[in-house]
Amino acid sequence: TQLLEQSPQFLSIQEGENLTVYCNSSSVFSSLQWYRQEPGEGPVLLVTVVTGGEVKKLKRLTFQFGDARKDSSLHITAAQPGDTGLYLCAGAEGGDDKIIFGKGTRLHILP
Amino acid sequence: NAGVMQNPRHLVRRRGQEARLRCSPMKGHSHVYWYRQLPEEGLKFMVYLQKENIIDESGMPKERFSAEFPKEGPSILRIQQVVRGDSAAYFCASSHNAANTEAFFGQGTRLTVV
Repeated sequence: TQLLEQSPQFLSIQEGENLTVYCNSSSVFSSLQWYRQEPGEGPVLLVTVVTGGEVKKLKRLTFQFGDARKDSSLHITAAQPGDTGLYLCAGAEGGDDKIIFGKGTRLHILP
Repeated sequence: NAGVMQNPRHLVRRRGQEARLRCSPMKGHSHVYWYRQLPEEGLKFMVYLQKENIIDESGMPKERFSAEFPKEGPSILRIQQVVRGDSAAYFCASSHNAANTEAFFGQGTRLTVV
C-alpha cells in the first residue's frame, strides 16, 4: 500500500512569513495533487503535478514534484491569513487509480 | 467544488437507524469516491465506484456499510444500524475517467449519531 506522509502536521506562523510543507512517499506516483480544505467545506483542488522535477506556480504558492516522482512540496511566500486551512496532497494508487490522501498539514496564519 | 452535489449537508440519526448519503457527480464524470473525515483529521478512503461497479471497497467497514452508483441517479452511501462512532463528515468526489485522477469534491454530509 502506498502511503503519503505530510509534514509538518501543524504549522502556525506570522503573516508575511514564508513556509514550505512536504508530501513524501516511498512509492512512485504518476501524478500528485494538492488540495486545500477550509473548515466545514470540501477540499478544493489547487494543482496537479505530473512530470518529475515539475514546478508550478499559483500566485504566491509554488508546487514542486520531486525528480523521482515520490515527493512534492508546497511553498507559500508572504503568507496571509486567507491561506489558513488544511493542505492535503493526494495521488493515485495502483492500476485502478484509487486516489489516496495524506493526513494533511493544518496551517494557521496569524495576523 | 462546483458541480458535485451532496445531500443532505447535515444528517442526524439515532443509534440503530439507517443513514443514506447521496452524491451526484459532476456532469460527465463516471468515477465516484467516498471518503470519511473525523474532526482535525485527513480524508480516509472508503470506496471507489464507476457506473454500476464497485472498483475498490477496501476502506469500507465490512459490516453495516454499503455503496452503489447506479446507471441512473446519484451514488448512495448507506450505513445501517448507525452507532456513535459513525459520526463524521463524509465526502464524495468525482473524476472524469481513470486516467484523470483529479477529483472534485462535494461539500460533504455531516452525520451526527445521537
